[in-house]
Amino acid sequence: ETGVTQTPRHLVMGMTNKKSLKCEQHLGHNAMYWYKQSAKKPLELMFVYNFKEQTENNSVPSRFSPECPNSSHLFLHLHTLQPEDSALYLCASSQSASTNEKLFFGSGTQLSVL
Amino acid sequence: QKEVEQNSGPLSVPEGAIASLNCTYSDRGSQSFFWYRQYSGKSPELIMSIYSNGDKEDGRFTAQLNKASQYVSLLIRDSQPSDSATYLCAASFRPSGSARQLTFGSGTQLTVLP
Repeated sequence: ETGVTQTPRHLVMGMTNKKSLKCEQHLGHNAMYWYKQSAKKPLELMFVYNFKEQTENNSVPSRFSPECPNSSHLFLHLHTLQPEDSALYLCASSQSASTNEKLFFGSGTQLSVL
Repeated sequence: QKEVEQNSGPLSVPEGAIASLNCTYSDRGSQSFFWYRQYSGKSPELIMSIYSNGDKEDGRFTAQLNKASQYVSLLIRDSQPSDSATYLCAASFRPSGSARQLTFGSGTQLTVLP
């Protein structure tokens, strides 16, 4: 079992669909993150959860809604997305958000919005 | 706006040569610096971290940090075709009232030619 697992690996959705991305970490970490990676652009931090509490929301549109039921699981709920939201969405975890060192990434969900 | 700048490349080196990857950062308050390797279609993987001025060696990899010049580099000795990937530089900083965050560069694509 890999440290951070994400499902699905690929997702194609229409602009009116609702879908969810799932992330699970098996490393005993206390912090989890959502990042967006677009072609030729730096990784963009979207959300940070530390001990299940959201500590960061980097001006992400409300059509992205995170959920963290416990320290091991993280979801990203998607609704009424736009074509420019097509990207690789990466989940990561670290021991603690206060140190935010040594992020471990999942394999990502490649999202295409039609 | 905290920024990390990298030459996007592509950088090509022959097998066995030294590959030199460079990175500059804008926030003088950054304390921790990381290099991630990302193979095409895969997620980023941490390969080096450095916290103090000077060199840090790990196998064929050497990270160099110069805080006065706000400059971080990664040297790969005896480059192998399997080193062909995109290398991401990241710097850690703490926004006011927030948890520490990583800012990533857009990455340098390295190709090692057999």
